Amino acid sequence: QSALTQPASVSGSPGQSITISCTGTSSDVGGYNYVSWYQQHPGKAPKLMIYDVSKRPSGVSNRFSGSKSGNTASLTISGLQAEDEADYYCSSYTSSSTYVFGTGTKVTVL
Amino acid sequence: EVQLVESGGGVVQPGGSLRLSCAASGFTFDDYAMHWVRQAPGKGLEWVSLISGDGGSTYYADSVKGRFTISRDNSKNSLYLQMNSLRTEDTALYYCAKAFGGSHEDWGQGTLVTVSS
Repeated sequence: QSALTQPASVSGSPGQSITISCTGTSSDVGGYNYVSWYQQHPGKAPKLMIYDVSKRPSGVSNRFSGSKSGNTASLTISGLQAEDEADYYCSSYTSSSTYVFGTGTKVTVL
Repeated sequence: EVQLVESGGGVVQPGGSLRLSCAASGFTFDDYAMHWVRQAPGKGLEWVSLISGDGGSTYYADSVKGRFTISRDNSKNSLYLQMNSLRTEDTALYYCAKAFGGSHEDWGQGTLVTVSS
């Protein structure tokens, strides 16, 4: 159950688009369409941003989108805003009927 | 509105035990599987355990298998995590989360477990 691999940090200027990658294996990300993404601000609980690879929960801005190709999933934030500065984690269901989170990415708005 | 409130955290010595609880409201509890997820201080999220809505199926991360037991009481809308043989590396903020398909839809605010001598 190794953690999924994410870049430690990604940054962008307000209004720009950024993409965070999440790399796993055929036993997790590549094998199932159960990839989700979470936003966590300091001292707060995580918040679901994307589920089932590309679906957005009610209330989540359409500036957030998800996709997957092979063993790598991606979260794209378009029109970057100051409030998007946070930690982001991906998660996937696995072939062992368990779940695994990514290593986490710190997004900085320049 | 979904509410999840964890409790039961505290300071425990290595080798000790602790039982965490999660009180749920705002949804039909037994319709949903539930997760425990933890976060060590300054670290990332780690999935811990999952229980089905009827409590009949349980799953664990390798790091806690054989030491932790997840359970639920649907009559009390409550989720539990019995933690035995605690290690210093179990020190973390423990969250309960409501499952939605393959995701963790709603989260509590967490309860802190510190394993230290």
